[in-house]
Amino acid sequence: GAGVSQSPRYKVAKRGQDVALRCDPISGHVSLFWYQQALGQGPEFLTYFQNEAQLDKSGLPSDRFFAERPEGSVSTLKIQRTQQEDSAVYLCASSLAGRGVISDTQYFGPGTRLTVL
Amino acid sequence: DQQVKQNSPSLSVQEGRISILNCDYTNSMFDYFLWYKKYPAEGPTFLISISSIKDKNEDGRFTVFLNKSAKHLSLHIVPSQPGDSAVYFCAASGRDSNYQLIWGAGTKLIIKP
Repeated sequence: GAGVSQSPRYKVAKRGQDVALRCDPISGHVSLFWYQQALGQGPEFLTYFQNEAQLDKSGLPSDRFFAERPEGSVSTLKIQRTQQEDSAVYLCASSLAGRGVISDTQYFGPGTRLTVL
Repeated sequence: DQQVKQNSPSLSVQEGRISILNCDYTNSMFDYFLWYKKYPAEGPTFLISISSIKDKNEDGRFTVFLNKSAKHLSLHIVPSQPGDSAVYFCAASGRDSNYQLIWGAGTKLIIKP
């Protein structure tokens, strides 16, 4: 079956531009996570959705970052007024169960590489 | 402050030999640990996990060992194969981190023919 897909795969933005990154999770997966991965580092948690509810946004680095999952499937991560420090790979992951099921495997998309000039 | 540390940025191993990747953590409240494997231009793929109630979990060529007193875990790959060349990430989670996955920086494993 289809895995997690993300688009675009690559995005170049000029500083100050707004960007929108899309994630299509595996069908039927309840949980959806966004991560930011800087070069040479592991992924860092940004935000978590259980269906359409954003239950945790503690990792969002500033109020320029906004995520939504209005119908509990596709999610969009929006970054307003991009800065150079926003350059990173943005990973989306989905899992079958809700959070709290500690053994629930997260399945990752290929990521969107954002470069802010 | 890094809660999960992978101190070796890279590791080179001969094909057929054992690869041992290490990971240390500082938060004693972590109770679930995972290893993910990542190829270039792809997302991480789940490899193997272990709960804190165990000290070993095995799946084919992959074995994860957990030493809670030392706050250390390791991934053993035996025998190493060329397709194992990838970046390996250690991750941990627990109730006090609200089950967020906390990741190490990764170790690049290179299997030499």
